[in-house]
Amino acid sequence: NAGVTQTPKFRILKIGQSMTLQCTQDMNHNYMYWYRQDPGMGLKLIYYSVGAGITDKGEVPNGYNVSRSTTEDFPLRLELAAPSQTSVYFCASSQRDVSNQPQHFGDGTRLSIL
Amino acid sequence: KQEVTQIPAALSVPEGENLVLNCSFTDSAIYNLQWFRQDPGKGLTSLLLIQSSQREQTSGRLNASLDKSSGRSTLYIAASQPGDSATYLCAVLTGANSKLTFGKGITLSVRP
Repeated sequence: NAGVTQTPKFRILKIGQSMTLQCTQDMNHNYMYWYRQDPGMGLKLIYYSVGAGITDKGEVPNGYNVSRSTTEDFPLRLELAAPSQTSVYFCASSQRDVSNQPQHFGDGTRLSIL
Repeated sequence: KQEVTQIPAALSVPEGENLVLNCSFTDSAIYNLQWFRQDPGKGLTSLLLIQSSQREQTSGRLNASLDKSSGRSTLYIAASQPGDSATYLCAVLTGANSKLTFGKGITLSVRP
């Protein structure tokens, strides 16, 4: 019962470094999402994908990039890390019929930029 | 722009109490409303999903209602237990690209 798996769980970066947050799901879901959650705030959508080869921006895409080469994987890349990107990042997935299917979340990646 | 509000931000109740968590949203053109539970340091777990054509959903001690016209939803927890302590988030699915908009959550503490 793996569901949505995110790696790493924790990471500390220096300003200006880059890294990729990994997300993979084993439920054959078409839709995948990246969110960030800041303390005391709700989740904000960064990028999403409705299938392999298709991605689109969410509410807060600046400073991030994504790719979707397979159904299972949806990595999120941070280029030139900034302190404002310190957050908890969640990956989620859902089936195609989003109106009656909930999103399934990973346990998150806790990222600090110093 | 859709906005989701959950008030209060935190709630503390004694064990055994029945309680109601409130959620309001500004745009009634939604596909569904979802309630999630988040434990500290963990991801979100889906509790209940109410489609736009439905009025309520039930799962065990949980009951969620939806009044789309007034932009409100409630999550009712019966006979609360310390294990119910967590943050509860409400989210609505809207828009052509079916995006979820989240509230900030209500942190519930159930005292033994």
